[in-house]
This record gives sequence, structure tokens and C-alpha cells, in this order.
Amino acid sequence: DTAVSQTPKYLVTQMGNDKSIKCEQNLGHDTMYWYKQDSKKFLKIMFSYNNKELIINETVPNRFSPKSPDKAHLNLHINSLELGDSAVYFCASSQGVTGLVRTIYFGEGSWLTVV
Amino acid sequence: TQLLEQSPQFLSIQEGENLTVYCNSSSVFSSLQWYRQEPGEGPVLLVTVVTGGEVKKLKRLTFQFGDARKDSSLHITAAQPGDTGLYLCAGGRKGAQKLVFGQGTRLTINP
Repeated sequence: DTAVSQTPKYLVTQMGNDKSIKCEQNLGHDTMYWYKQDSKKFLKIMFSYNNKELIINETVPNRFSPKSPDKAHLNLHINSLELGDSAVYFCASSQGVTGLVRTIYFGEGSWLTVV
Repeated sequence: TQLLEQSPQFLSIQEGENLTVYCNSSSVFSSLQWYRQEPGEGPVLLVTVVTGGEVKKLKRLTFQFGDARKDSSLHITAAQPGDTGLYLCAGGRKGAQKLVFGQGTRLTINP
């Protein structure tokens, strides 16, 4: 039973298209995240939601819009896709948002390729 | 600004050898975590250290938090092919909402 699941796992799309990645966690956590991992494997946080409220919004283009319908779901919608958006996008969750020993549980990643 | 620097970025060694990877910063962290990411998967937490000088062992893996809580090391004894993966360190600060990740060390253990 997957703890953090995201779909789709692979996505190939053309420049200019709009796409969404969905994420669900069944761990009962109150905090969810979207991370981007580039080709050099650098993992960078994009957004974080705590109890459906946006608490972290890094410098990300407005084309990226997260949406949390409830604590167990955090979706990512991307408008007008660009070549530079190609990366692996990881959804993650944790219990609490500032605890020092909190564990972040990651999904398997969504491989986005923009052509 | 990259606050956590990992070294080496790439390491390829033979099975049975020992190795150490490092995670360094000029900033103090309240906690330091190590994650391992296997190809096609997301990162998985290995350990969390919170006290300066703390040493934790996980089978053949030994993790140490620096006395000043600015750096950490991961030592693997008698490496095995199953240890292959991307090792990421992540630093946390009390009250801070986000972890800072290093750029990772890509480790390959050859049979």
C-alpha cells in the first residue's frame, strides 16, 4: 500500500501545453510538499501546504499552481510548459512542519519531459 | 545560494571497499538528515542526527554530526552493490519550515 502516490509517473508533452500531476498520501500527515529535482539531481522545494494552507511558496513561475483540496491531496498544475520545466517532480508529506526530527516521505516521482 | 555542499559528487568503488561522503556548511543546523534515493524512486530517510558530535550506526553505515553542527559524514564499511544510489543530506533549523538539501553524492558500488 503506497504511502505517497503520484500520477502520472511519466509525462511527455509539447511546449505550450498545460498539464497536471496529482498526489495523494494515506499516512494521515498534515503537511504536503512539491519538490523539483533537476538533471543534476539537485532537490529543491517548490511549495508546501499545512492543513490545506500554503506555507511555503518558493520563487517559482506563476505558471505553476498547486492546489490542495484536502489534507491528503496536493496537485500541481503547470501552464504553458517550457523546455526548462523538464525535471522530476516529487510529492512528499510529513507530520508537522517545523519539528526537527520529522521524516519527509517522498513519492516515486513524476518524470516530466517537455519537447 | 547552496547552503549544504556534499563531496564527492560522484564516487565509484569496488565491492568490499570502505568510503566516506561529506556534507558541509558554513551555517549551523539544528538537525541533519541523510536520505538515499535509488534510481526511479524517491528519497528515503536513513537517519536524523540532532546533537553535536552524535554518532549513529545503521548496520554498515555510520553517520556523524559535527561538534559545531555545521557538517556531517556518512561512512560505509565493506560497501555492497545494494548501497548504490544517490545520498542526500538535508539540514533543518528550529522553527524553520523547510529543509535544505545538498546536491547529493552519486555512489556506485561495482561487483
